[in-house]
Amino acid sequence: AIRMTQSPSSFSASTGDRVTITCRASQGISSYLAWYQQKPGKAPKLLIYAASTLQSGVPSRFSGSGSGTDFTLTISCLQSEDFATYYCQQYYSYPPAFGQGTKVEIK
Amino acid sequence: QVQLVQSGAEVKKPGASVKVSCKASGYTFTSYGISWVRQAPGQGLEWMGWISAYNGNTNYAQKLQGRVTMTTDTSTSTAYMELRSLRSDDTAVYYCARDGSSDPGGMDVWGQGTTVTVSS
Repeated sequence: AIRMTQSPSSFSASTGDRVTITCRASQGISSYLAWYQQKPGKAPKLLIYAASTLQSGVPSRFSGSGSGTDFTLTISCLQSEDFATYYCQQYYSYPPAFGQGTKVEIK
Repeated sequence: QVQLVQSGAEVKKPGASVKVSCKASGYTFTSYGISWVRQAPGQGLEWMGWISAYNGNTNYAQKLQGRVTMTTDTSTSTAYMELRSLRSDDTAVYYCARDGSSDPGGMDVWGQGTTVTVSS
């Protein structure tokens, strides 16, 4: 099974910061990667699929890049509503695995 | 609007079974699949399995093989997930999510979650 590793596991940032979260796959997954945002007590929300395609309705400050084994999620200008936990997920092969999550907290 | 509405919270004893429903609306049910994902308290997301609403094909997480069954009822646009022989570590919030029609992909619509508590 493919393992997904996110870094960092958590960090603090301020509104307006540019933040980057990385996700590494244990083997190549082409661009079969999605990013989700989850707020406490809520269901996850799809942000990006196919590594870099923005889901409809998601603000353009979110962007994704990468292919193969290394991927990044960037938030260009952090807003108050962006403080949440972010997960990557590969869907290249079964089982579709999630990373362990990255919690973005307010500094 | 496109939405998935799940059944309510459940409390079960160890060894029992639970069946969670997920009713779809606002889209053609048979044009997509449904994945089930669970989240134990304070933990990350765990993919449980996927079912095609078109032909009923399934793929389950290996650790749940033999205990989980996913089905759909196309007449009511409802997906079901049954988990048997419940253990305390099955305590989690269970989510259904709209997924690819032939294989898992990005899950773009999620249910609100169903809390399942397993306790004696």
